[in-house]
Amino acid sequence: DAGVTQSPTHLIKTRGQQVTLRCSPKSGHDTVSWYQQALGQGPQFIFQYYEEEERQRGNFPDRFSGHQFPNYSSELNVNALLLGDSALYLCASSLDEAEQFFGPGTRLTVL
Amino acid sequence: AQTVTQSQPEMSVQEAETVTLSCTYDTSENNYYLFWYKQPPSRQMILVIRQEAYKQQNATENRFSVNFQKAAKSFSLKISDSQLGDTAMYFCAFMKFTYSGNTPLVFGKGTRLSVIA
Repeated sequence: DAGVTQSPTHLIKTRGQQVTLRCSPKSGHDTVSWYQQALGQGPQFIFQYYEEEERQRGNFPDRFSGHQFPNYSSELNVNALLLGDSALYLCASSLDEAEQFFGPGTRLTVL
Repeated sequence: AQTVTQSQPEMSVQEAETVTLSCTYDTSENNYYLFWYKQPPSRQMILVIRQEAYKQQNATENRFSVNFQKAAKSFSLKISDSQLGDTAMYFCAFMKFTYSGNTPLVFGKGTRLSVIA
């Protein structure tokens, strides 16, 4: 049983560009949450998708948007990248239970 | 809003010894979950142990156990017989309970644990 997968592993972009990160949830999971983890910090909640809709959102600007597909996979899009967007982006999946299963993350560097 | 505080940025322990990581949280909720996650250098966040707030008994998973003090809003993690593979960042996290599915995890800033041979 494959766990949560994310792609790409690493990404380097320049300021002002746009980026798309992808996540495939654990088999059978229908809820995907995205977190941003800055260096030396704990993860911060960005948003959560369930049944292809954004169900909850953290304190992130509209430059951060997402999507969930019918197969429950998800994308995180960030527009107009800033230096401060450099971070590890974590995807977590779950199914009506407390435990969230995390992927290995995508390391985004903005130059 | 909930907050989670981990007051120990770094800790070290000798192999085979016992270490306790501290966590306090602030919430007005009565029903919630608390978690300890481990993040090794590989970056994968791995669940170590979880505690339901309605349960008075402290959770235990092999060498890992917690001391949950609901009134004091304290949730410490004890690692017994420490192993080199326990070297990692440890995050304490809070999740509000709802009947409508998952709510976001609120994380502390983490404690970097080094196990020394």
